[in-house]
Amino acid sequence: DAGVIQSPRHEVTEMGQEVTLRCKPISGHDYLFWYRQTMMRGLELLIYFNNNVPIDDSGMPEDRFSAKMPNASFSTLKIQPSEPRDSAVYFCASSLEGTRRETQYFGPGTRLLVL
Amino acid sequence: EDQVTQSPEALRLQEGESSSLNCSYTVSGLRGLFWYRQDPGKGPEFLFTLYSAGEEKEKERLKATLTKKESFLHITAPKPEDSATYLCAVHDYGQNFVFGPGTRLSVLP
Repeated sequence: DAGVIQSPRHEVTEMGQEVTLRCKPISGHDYLFWYRQTMMRGLELLIYFNNNVPIDDSGMPEDRFSAKMPNASFSTLKIQPSEPRDSAVYFCASSLEGTRRETQYFGPGTRLLVL
Repeated sequence: EDQVTQSPEALRLQEGESSSLNCSYTVSGLRGLFWYRQDPGKGPEFLFTLYSAGEEKEKERLKATLTKKESFLHITAPKPEDSATYLCAVHDYGQNFVFGPGTRLSVLP
């Protein structure tokens, strides 16, 4: 398996623009997680899905952030409008319900810079 | 609210010099504690999951242990390729996942 795939790997945009990050989880995994990582705050869970349904979005910082999972093989995280403080590395991870549910497999991340 | 702290923030070792990393946690009901390794520019890579106090797991030069309040990651005779940031995280029965800030380990040849 190719692992978790994220695109784009790097994104530079200007304040106020819409940003869409994409994630393809590992085939067969039923949990998908979106994280944000910064030097100041470390790795923060934003939202996670189970079987394409959002379970907990309490980590989403504000209404400018939204996430969708239209099917088992694709998810998006959208920021509209973007702000400089959104600059961070955004990771997607997936896992499989069962004895090793806690084993989350992370993608390579999207490095976002908002100018 | 779950809290995870890690110490030290950074650690520099000579090759072959064994040491331990600490992860202290406060959680409302521990479902699992896990350790990840993160290399620069990459996503975290899973190392271990521990479920109950007294449990230990090993992988090559790494050994993870768990008590009711903390976990240790012991590194025996480290090599330069063990240099990375090591992250600890907890998963509770309220379905919360919380990561610690990490320990940056440098192993010098």
